[in-house]
Amino acid sequence: QKEVEQDPGPLSVPEGAIVSLNCTYSNSAFQYFMWYRQYSRKGPELLMYTYSSGNKEDGRFTAQVDKSSKYISLFIRDSQPSDSATYLCAMSLAGGTSYGKLTFGQGTILTVHP
Amino acid sequence: NAGVTQTPKFRVLKTGQSMTLLCAQDMNHEYMYWYRQDPGMGLRLIHYSVGEGTTAKGEVPDGYNVSRLKKQNFLLGLESAAPSQTSVYFCASSYVVSGGGLRNEQFFGPGTRLTVL
Repeated sequence: QKEVEQDPGPLSVPEGAIVSLNCTYSNSAFQYFMWYRQYSRKGPELLMYTYSSGNKEDGRFTAQVDKSSKYISLFIRDSQPSDSATYLCAMSLAGGTSYGKLTFGQGTILTVHP
Repeated sequence: NAGVTQTPKFRVLKTGQSMTLLCAQDMNHEYMYWYRQDPGMGLRLIHYSVGEGTTAKGEVPDGYNVSRLKKQNFLLGLESAAPSQTSVYFCASSYVVSGGGLRNEQFFGPGTRLTVL
């Protein structure tokens, strides 16, 4: 079993839809939770960053972390064709000994069509 | 400010050949990482470095070596390439925030597409 599980999709939605992307994980020691966006043939870029449980909102994007269920989500409101990309969840342990190492999910391919 | 750059962008090798991938960052970051990305597998950590002159193994280190002789550069070597090493390779870097904490945000390069025949 992978440490972080993410449905690879692909996911295809019409413009304006609400998109929900999810990851589950098995290591309860993870403290930092991130979502990266990766456009085709580009490197990943950080989209959202949260520490421990709770919600974080940034424009049309909302990240949720439920540590009791070992489940994180990314919601995209009013989705746009420019949101078409692969979305990767990533997690990290706390503390200096983690050396910033991230454990990634498999990535979900999202297409928003006009 | 170029961020993280990778050289080359594309490469085709024959089985048994060797090559070195170069990663450079101009952000003065302490930590650097090499990943490989394969379909359905996400990003897997090959090796990482927490400072000039130091390297450590990640999740999938076999068949690869690394060196960090200068803070801004992190090299990934394949001594004898195998078809299983066909992949997209990404380099990333991250920084230590004031107070000694690690932000854990990683900045990625554009990737190197490697095919081993």
